[in-house]
Amino acid sequence: EPEVTQTPSHQVTQMGQEVILRCVPISNHLYFYWYRQILGQKVEFLVSFYNNEISEKSEIFDDQFSVERPDGSNFTLKIRSTKLEDSAMYFCASSEQDGVTSPLHFGNGTRLTVT
Amino acid sequence: GESVGLHLPTLSVQEGDNSIINCAYSNSASDYFIWYKQESGKGPQFIIDIRSNMDKRQGQRVTVLLNKTVKHLSLQIAATQPGDSAVYFCAEIPPGTDKLIFGTGTRLQVFP
Repeated sequence: EPEVTQTPSHQVTQMGQEVILRCVPISNHLYFYWYRQILGQKVEFLVSFYNNEISEKSEIFDDQFSVERPDGSNFTLKIRSTKLEDSAMYFCASSEQDGVTSPLHFGNGTRLTVT
Repeated sequence: GESVGLHLPTLSVQEGDNSIINCAYSNSASDYFIWYKQESGKGPQFIIDIRSNMDKRQGQRVTVLLNKTVKHLSLQIAATQPGDSAVYFCAEIPPGTDKLIFGTGTRLQVFP
């Protein structure tokens, strides 16, 4: 069964550094998402992406965050200057159609630790 | 992917019994609901979904019930197996968006 893959599984970075989290969505999917989960808290929506542009973003997704689909297969989340509070599990998801029409399929996440 | 929460409600069931996991959702206008399962080290895995024009939907060994009057969802797992041990999240999608609003999660523990 096709799956969403994320790399790396664990990323440790120092405060103020830039990180790029990578995702390969399922190949025929058109809608892409990033969610995050701070330890002990709920999974939270960050951003949705369709047709090479952001469809929707949360208040968490400020100017320090950006997303990109640099080629036909990868979908990346960049954090320009990481803060301690960015430490979380980051999940990429994709869906064949929008998330109301077809369910989201999630990757196994990247654990980001900011020290 | 950890959904570990020190304060996650926990449901413990014996293998072979039926499990019922409950969820209260927040937006009375939400029209799409999904149950996800999250095993340790993995991302949320889709189990079953239901739309607001239905009150029950069945899958393989799972049933979702929707009570819009009290904004309540439940997930029933028949003949629970050790492999069902995980954290279960309900999620809703409010109208006008496709972002998932996740609930807190319930940890299901299955013992022999």
